[in-house]
Amino acid sequence: EAGVAQSPRYKIIEKRQSVAFWCNPISGHATLYWYQQILGQGPKLLIQFQNNGVVDDSQLPKDRFSAERLKGVDSTLKIQPAKLEDSAVYLCASSLGLENTEAFFGQGTRLTVV
Amino acid sequence: AQSVAQPEDQVNVAEGNPLTVKCTYSVSGNPYLFWYVQYPNRGLQFLLKYITGDNLVKGSYGFEAEFNKSQTSFHLKKPSALVSDSALYFCAVRDPQGLSGGSYIPTFGRGTSLIVHP
Repeated sequence: EAGVAQSPRYKIIEKRQSVAFWCNPISGHATLYWYQQILGQGPKLLIQFQNNGVVDDSQLPKDRFSAERLKGVDSTLKIQPAKLEDSAVYLCASSLGLENTEAFFGQGTRLTVV
Repeated sequence: AQSVAQPEDQVNVAEGNPLTVKCTYSVSGNPYLFWYVQYPNRGLQFLLKYITGDNLVKGSYGFEAEFNKSQTSFHLKKPSALVSDSALYFCAVRDPQGLSGGSYIPTFGRGTSLIVHP
């Protein structure tokens, strides 16, 4: 079974630039998560989708972050404009559904904002 | 609000010795509890979970965890550590009833670095 795919693996941008990350979940997984993991901290959930609908985006900084999952499969997370404090690893995860509680994670995208 | 505490930033153990990585939690309802492991430059991998039933949960790679409701703990254990177990371990909690501030989202601890010495 193919795992969660993310791209790019690494990205370096200057502050105030924009950046986008892509995620393709495991086939058949209805629930998709985007997490932000700052160095030395645990992952923090940014947004959770169930199919193409948002379940929870309470921790997403909506003034600069946006995410979509238009067809209920792959997803993009965008930051515009980026700040220095956005430097982190962005992890995508998927699970079969809201009640299938363990999530499968991708390798993440390491973002460095300079 | 729900929360998870991993009181140790680092745990050191000799190969062959038993290991314990501690986790305590706070939720309003009955928790779903998880352990994940993260190897360098890799995503998180699921180890085990507690949903209901037997308090002792067995997972991948010989790991197990014990749910203790009275102590609100979910410590990760392994009888005999391997050097290859060296990694970052994360405990996570989820309130399936949304009683902890109305949110269903999972909350992760800060992580504990496990170092197994040869």
